[in-house]
Amino acid sequence: QKEVEQNSGPLSVPEGAIASLNCTYSDRVSQSFFWYRQYSGKSPELIMSIYSNGDKEDGRFTAQLNKASQYVSLLIRDSQPSDSATYLCAVSINAGGTSYGKLTFGQGTILTVHP
Amino acid sequence: DTEVTQTPKHLVMGMTNKKSLKCEQHMGHRAMYWYKQKAKKPPELMFVYSYEKLSINESVPSRFSPECPNSSLLNLHLHALQPEDSALYLCASSQGEADTQYFGPGTRLTVL
Repeated sequence: QKEVEQNSGPLSVPEGAIASLNCTYSDRVSQSFFWYRQYSGKSPELIMSIYSNGDKEDGRFTAQLNKASQYVSLLIRDSQPSDSATYLCAVSINAGGTSYGKLTFGQGTILTVHP
Repeated sequence: DTEVTQTPKHLVMGMTNKKSLKCEQHMGHRAMYWYKQKAKKPPELMFVYSYEKLSINESVPSRFSPECPNSSLLNLHLHALQPEDSALYLCASSQGEADTQYFGPGTRLTVL
């Protein structure tokens, strides 16, 4: 089982719609969760970080975390063509041990927003 | 300011060359990272430096040699690379090892 899994995509939504991106993780001690956006040929750009159960909103983006079910999601409201990119879910462990400080990425979901 | 800078943007090298990638941040972050990213794959962690000391080496071949001269700078020395090492090399930094990581623009490396 992969440590971090994302819905495989690609995901295509019309402009103005809500895009829903999902991510599950296997390690129960994971404590920090991140969504990065990566345009083709560019580096990952932080969209959201979330650490506690519940929702966190930032503009058109909402991250949702459910530690009991081990999933984290990203909703993009009023999707725009400029949102078309690969979205990477990343998880890290805050406790000590050999994995401390290590970000584990999912494979990414390609989102296309068409006009 | 969450800027991490990397030089050069592009690098083409032969298998016998020695070159270095440079990364710099002025955010006072104490942890810095090197990642390698192949096309259509997520970034793969190579090295982690925390307080200028190497804390994680993900079993990276010795032809890649990291160096952290001070808390703002991170280098990756390259020697005798293989064509399969061609990739986007990303540097990142964070306040501490478990904190949000901010990525630089990357260096696109091509090994001939």
